[in-house]
Formats: sequence, structure tokens, C-alpha cells
Amino acid sequence: AQSVTQPDIHITVSEGASLELRCNYSYGATPYLFWYVQSPGQGLQLLLKYFSGDTLVQGIKGFEAEFKRSQSSFNLRKPSVHWSDAAEYFCAVGANAGNNRKLIWGLGTSLAVNP
Amino acid sequence: GAGVSQSPSNKVTEKGKDVELRCDPISGHTALYWYRQSLGQGLEFLIYFQGNSAPDKSGLPSDRFSAERTGGSVSTLTIQRTQQEDSAVYLCASSLGGGAIEQYFGPGTRLTVT
Repeated sequence: AQSVTQPDIHITVSEGASLELRCNYSYGATPYLFWYVQSPGQGLQLLLKYFSGDTLVQGIKGFEAEFKRSQSSFNLRKPSVHWSDAAEYFCAVGANAGNNRKLIWGLGTSLAVNP
Repeated sequence: GAGVSQSPSNKVTEKGKDVELRCDPISGHTALYWYRQSLGQGLEFLIYFQGNSAPDKSGLPSDRFSAERTGGSVSTLTIQRTQQEDSAVYLCASSLGGGAIEQYFGPGTRLTVT
């Protein structure tokens, strides 16, 4: 079955510390992978995406993610977290072909940032 | 350019009433999605429109929920005989279609059923 797992429901880090949010997927085909961020009371914003090529992708707001096919993972990282990064983060996977282009979503990781 | 817009931003309705939620996708986007997000929860897929194809309604929770997309652009999600458990934020997203499947989201409509 297709699925996305975000093992950490809630993470708290100190401002300036590094961050890694985990995402594992189960998908039958070569996946397209996404990270989205949802600030309180807002819609979701695309942080970055992986389609093919270089497995380390850069996104907005200083985020990056690395696709590891052998581990079925697409973890999100940031070297130094800012207080404004406090938000909900969602990982998603989709098909790179076919007629149905729905995304499969993880349940999200809530990030809190301590001053 | 303009992003995805949704209206109203907030809707309070009495139990048993019908509500309509509107979504205006990004111009030129052929795919449109509706999601429901309950408080503190993830995204629950409701329905997916792709071009002129039959919509994927597999996520609609009951026959009280329906959606249409007119002229391949604006979409309306209708909830009939609302129940308190329908209270949630309803998010709309659109994507360009074809090989471009990244979704762009609207700000959502917060529905409260009293």
C-alpha cells in the first residue's frame, strides 16, 4: 500500500539549532516527493520538491532535503532554525506517471522553536 | 500572479443547513483538489478534478458532500444537512497538470457548524 510516515508528531528545537524532520514512504513506482509547510492559520506552502536528478534538493527559507532510495526516505533539514520556522510540516509523495496524480500525505510534524 | 483563492474565509452555520464553499484555482491549472483538515490533524483528501476526466470522488465521506467544477476553472464544494462533525478547515489546491503535480494551496475556509 502507498503510504507516507512522518515518525515524529512533535519536535521542539532551540533557535539556531539544526533541524531534521523525517519522512519515510512506501510507493510502488519512482516517486515524486514534496515537503510543505503550514504556518498557524494559513494554507500549505511548497518548500521543495524532488523529481529526479541530484538527490539533494534545495528549497525556500534555507531548507534542503535528501532523497535516499535505499532507505525510502526524504528527510528535511535546516542548519540553523529561526523562530519563524515554527509551523506544521507535511511530507507528500506522488506518481511520476499515470492518470491519477493525487498526492499521498503524511500526518505532519509540528515544530516548536524555543528562543 | 494570483494564487488559489477561497471564499468565504470563515463560515458559521447551523446544524442541518446546506453550505457552499468556493475555490478559484490558479489560471491555467487543470487539476483541482479539495481537502478537509480537522483541528490539529493532517489532510483528508476529498475529491480531485483533472481536466475533462471524471472526478475522483473516493474521499468524499458521505453523500451529503458533493463538488463540481464549472468550465474547468472554479469549483464549489457543497455540504448538505451539515453536522457538527463537518466543522473543519476546507482547503483547495490546484496543480498545472500533466507532469507538474505539485499542488498550490488556497488559504482555506474555516467551517463551524453550531
